[in-house]
Amino acid sequence: GESVGLHLPTLSVQEGDNSIINCAYSNSASDYFIWYKQESGKGPQFIIDIRSNMDKRQGQRVTVLLNKTVKHLSLQIAATQPGDSAVYFCAENDAGGTSYGKLTFGQGTILTVHP
Amino acid sequence: NAGVTQTPKFQVLKTGQSMTLQCAQDMNHEYMSWYRQDPGMGLRLIHYSVGAGITDQGEVPNGYNVSRSTTEDFPLRLLSAAPSQTSVYFCASSYATSYEQYFGPGTRLTVT
Repeated sequence: GESVGLHLPTLSVQEGDNSIINCAYSNSASDYFIWYKQESGKGPQFIIDIRSNMDKRQGQRVTVLLNKTVKHLSLQIAATQPGDSAVYFCAENDAGGTSYGKLTFGQGTILTVHP
Repeated sequence: NAGVTQTPKFQVLKTGQSMTLQCAQDMNHEYMSWYRQDPGMGLRLIHYSVGAGITDQGEVPNGYNVSRSTTEDFPLRLLSAAPSQTSVYFCASSYATSYEQYFGPGTRLTVT
């Protein structure tokens, strides 16, 4: 039978389009959220973060939106480029500022950008 | 700065063998951690350390030991390797009051 987790969600876009990657979290006590990018054969790389007392935060070409009511997080990438092709993970921390490094990672989404 | 370094990059073990995965960072980070990543899944926390001499268990600690004798190094020991430990292992570090973790390039371990 099929194992949970073997088939990651995928998103395929054309170069120049905007991309939206979604993440649902289950722990209502989580107070900090981070998005990581993982290119093939490499370790995850920090993209952007957001605290639970915010609903939006912008970076360079990226925006993270947080909806605590439905426990949903999204990452928007503007003008997506082929170099954005990677697996994107959301991660959460529920330690309330006592253990910043204890992150729980989501399953990940594969983003493929076509030239 | 070299950042976070991990050795070896690849390793094949037979069931029952032991080995140590090495991790070092040169950023003077207090916090270090080990994750494993299985195909199609996110990272799961194995063990972490908030400073030299202090370690604690994460989500999946069974079968792994750690120690932290210096700020720079955080080795992960497999005492008796099992096929279920086949995975890619990532080490990460951060300042104690920062959520931004820096990851190493990973070690791909296969246990036959």
